[in-house]
Amino acid sequence: GAGVSQTPSNKVTEKGKYVELRCDPISGHTALYWYRQSLGQGPEFLIYFQGTGAADDSGLPNDRFFAVRPEGSVSTLKIQRTERGDSAVYLCASSSGLAGGGETQYFGPGTRLLVL
Amino acid sequence: TQLLKQSPQFLSIQEGENLTVYCNSSSVFSSLQWYRQEPGEGPVLLVTVVTGGEVKKLKRLTFQFGDARKDSSLHITAAQTGDTGLYLCAGAVNSNDYKLSFGAGTTVTVRA
Repeated sequence: GAGVSQTPSNKVTEKGKYVELRCDPISGHTALYWYRQSLGQGPEFLIYFQGTGAADDSGLPNDRFFAVRPEGSVSTLKIQRTERGDSAVYLCASSSGLAGGGETQYFGPGTRLLVL
Repeated sequence: TQLLKQSPQFLSIQEGENLTVYCNSSSVFSSLQWYRQEPGEGPVLLVTVVTGGEVKKLKRLTFQFGDARKDSSLHITAAQTGDTGLYLCAGAVNSNDYKLSFGAGTTVTVRA
């Protein structure tokens, strides 16, 4: 597809479980971002990849959160021992990675995570 | 701590009326972006402003970046029901910043 896709679109899990959220960026985009959007709030930065490496993971809230991008394309956000406070919409975005900072970021539709 | 504060939080107007949404910060930004987000979707970029005092127009939408690059406004003329949505401002503090800092958003409802 032409845009950023995310799967699943919705995920319901129980407290303490492990979840994986997947992001397929726009083809050819080397920069990939994860954001978290809580109800009534704007997106909050979690992590940024340039290629395969995490260039900035300063937004990850704690060590239960981890993200990978092993081949520089698809990325997976992993959350261990989920807590009710992790419930939010997890947004993925990608950009060309060619222009340096301030590039246009294209967002996916998000994964709505609900931890019961 | 949220760098960007948006006001008002909610705005409900009649079709045909004008509206203005504000985005303010005590920090200087190298660029500011405005996004519109509909329920169940990700934010979609409307405009990027990079120069202090810059004004950009996109059909009925007018965006302004403050002279000191600390604030921005979005003005919609003759609002239509299709303008309904969550309007988010986001900024990059440094020109080489990749991550964006978002405001909490303004929910705009345009009634027919």
